[in-house]
Order: sequence, then C-alpha cells, then structure tokens
Amino acid sequence: DIQMTQSPSSLSASVGDRVTIICRASQTISRSLNWYQQKSGKAPKLLIYGASNLHSGVPSRFSGSGSGADFTLTISSLQPEDFATYYCQQSYGSVRTFGQGTKLE
Amino acid sequence: QVTLKESGPALVKPTQTLTLTCTFSGFSLGTSGMRVTWIRQPPGKALEWLARIDWDGTKFYSTSLQTRLTISKDTSKNQVVLTLTNVDPVDTATYYCAREKTLSVNYYLDYWGQGTLVTVSS
Repeated sequence: DIQMTQSPSSLSASVGDRVTIICRASQTISRSLNWYQQKSGKAPKLLIYGASNLHSGVPSRFSGSGSGADFTLTISSLQPEDFATYYCQQSYGSVRTFGQGTKLE
Repeated sequence: QVTLKESGPALVKPTQTLTLTCTFSGFSLGTSGMRVTWIRQPPGKALEWLARIDWDGTKFYSTSLQTRLTISKDTSKNQVVLTLTNVDPVDTATYYCAREKTLSVNYYLDYWGQGTLVTVSS
C-alpha cells in the first residue's frame, strides 16, 4: 500500500498566521491527493481534492499544491474555526490510505 | 441531498464478528462511478481506510485487515454492510462510511456519515 506521511504531527499557531502542512507519499501519486479537516467529535470534511481543487463551500484561504509525491496544504490567514486536525489521503492506489494527521493548536 | 448513516452494535465481545450497516440516500450505488467506503478511527488516533465497494460490485480491502473484512451492498435498499471477524480490543473505534465521488480523474470522499462508536470488550 502507498504510505502517506504528514509533517508536522502538531503545529502551534495563532489567528492570522499563514500555516503550511506537508504530506509525502511513498511513491508518485500524480495529483491524486485529497485534504480533510476534522474537528473534535465530528466526521472529517473534504477541503481539497485533486491536490489543488477547492471543494464547494470551502473558504478561499485554504489552498493545496503539489504533484508526484510531495504536497502541501496552506491556510493563508488562520481563523479561530480552523483549529482542527488535518488529514491527507491518496486516491491513486485502489487501496486508499490516509496520513497520520496534523493537529493545529 | 446526500446523507449516510452508520448503524450497528455499540459493544461487541472479543472474538465475535462485528456487522455494521451504512444506509444512505441521495444517490444510488447502481449508478456508474459511485462508491462507498468504510473508514475507522480509534480514540485519539488517525483515520484508517478499511474497504470500498464500487457500483459494479468491485471490492477493495485494507491490506492489513483483508483477511477479516467483508464488504457487500444491497442496491435496492441503499445499504452497504461491513463485517469484521474475530474482533479484538484494538478494533475499538468510531466507524464511518462515506461516499467516494468520481470527477474526471479525481476520487474523493465528499459525504460522510456521523460515525458509530464500537467498543470491543468482554
């Protein structure tokens, strides 16, 4: 299976900060990379699909980039509601896999 | 609109078989390109992808759990069932089902159920 590694595992930031989360695949996955946000006690929500496509209704301060094996999720100006855990997921292999998550504190 | 809801036992004993049902609305698994996926999350831990069933009946399983997992669908009832055999306390988790959408070459989980917490304990 394709392994997904996120860094950092946790990140301390403040409202207004620009934040970047990295996701690395164990092999090339083209642009088959999705990002999800999960708040405590809730189901994850899709933020970005296909590495850089913003899902409907997601604020434009979220952006994604990358291709091949290296990807980033950027929040341009952190808002109070953005403190959550973020997961990347590859959809290149038939068996999909998630990263271990990045907790934004 | 699209909704999914997981149902099943909240408590199972070790070595038993866990059966979970995902009941959905707003789409049909009989439609080309539609897929339903199961994911789980142990308390305080990361998401783990478990299995997927496609509109044409094709099934995929997590490599580490494939010998214990079975996924099936009942298109007429809009349901997907996941069974996990020989459960252990490490299988304690919130189990989610989600729809996987296909858009061009992109595949992503756009709708999720609320999740159901399953505890494995004697």
